[in-house]
Amino acid sequence: DIVMTQTPLSSPVTLGQPASISCRSSQSLVHSDGNTYLSWFQQRPGQPPRLLIYRISNRVSGVPDRFSGSGAGTDFTLKISRVEAEDVGVYYCMQAAQFPITFGQGTRLEI
Amino acid sequence: EVQLVASGGDLVQPGGSLRLSCATSGFTFSSYWMTWVRQAPGKGLEWVANMRQDGGEKNYVDSVKGRFTISRDNAKNSLYLQMNSLRAEDTAVYYCARGITSDYWGRGTPVTVSS
Repeated sequence: DIVMTQTPLSSPVTLGQPASISCRSSQSLVHSDGNTYLSWFQQRPGQPPRLLIYRISNRVSGVPDRFSGSGAGTDFTLKISRVEAEDVGVYYCMQAAQFPITFGQGTRLEI
Repeated sequence: EVQLVASGGDLVQPGGSLRLSCATSGFTFSSYWMTWVRQAPGKGLEWVANMRQDGGEKNYVDSVKGRFTISRDNAKNSLYLQMNSLRAEDTAVYYCARGITSDYWGRGTPVTVSS
């Protein structure tokens, strides 16, 4: 199984300042179809997860452009350019390049 | 509007069974893989199972293989998870989600396995 490792596990941030979360996979996430199936999810307290970014850097419609994804192969990053209060929650990376699908441990973003 | 509503969660004794359902609307259900993901209390997300549009392919996490069965009814736009031989470690909120990459999620249904 592909192991997804996120760092940090907890990130105290200041409103208006940038934040960054790293996700590393134990194997390449490049699928045989040429796509890299790395997604990022946000889970606010008491809510189901919400897809923010898919295939490394594609932002879902309605997601603020302060969220961006980057990376390749086994190393990926989620960046928030200016943290807002509504960004508090836990962020997960997920790989869907190979079954079983696996998630990172989650990174708690705290103001 | 895409909607997924999971139901069927309950308190069940170890070794018992439960069937979860996920009713969907707002999209062409028969065109999508469907997924179950769970979250134990205070823990992270764990992918449980998914199923191809036509039911021809099903995948499971090792910890539920042989105990859980994913199924779907495309005529009813519904997804199911039959859970047998339940263990305490299966206690979690169970979410259904659309697609392999889980682009839409419903509110989960809680399952508690305890005597």
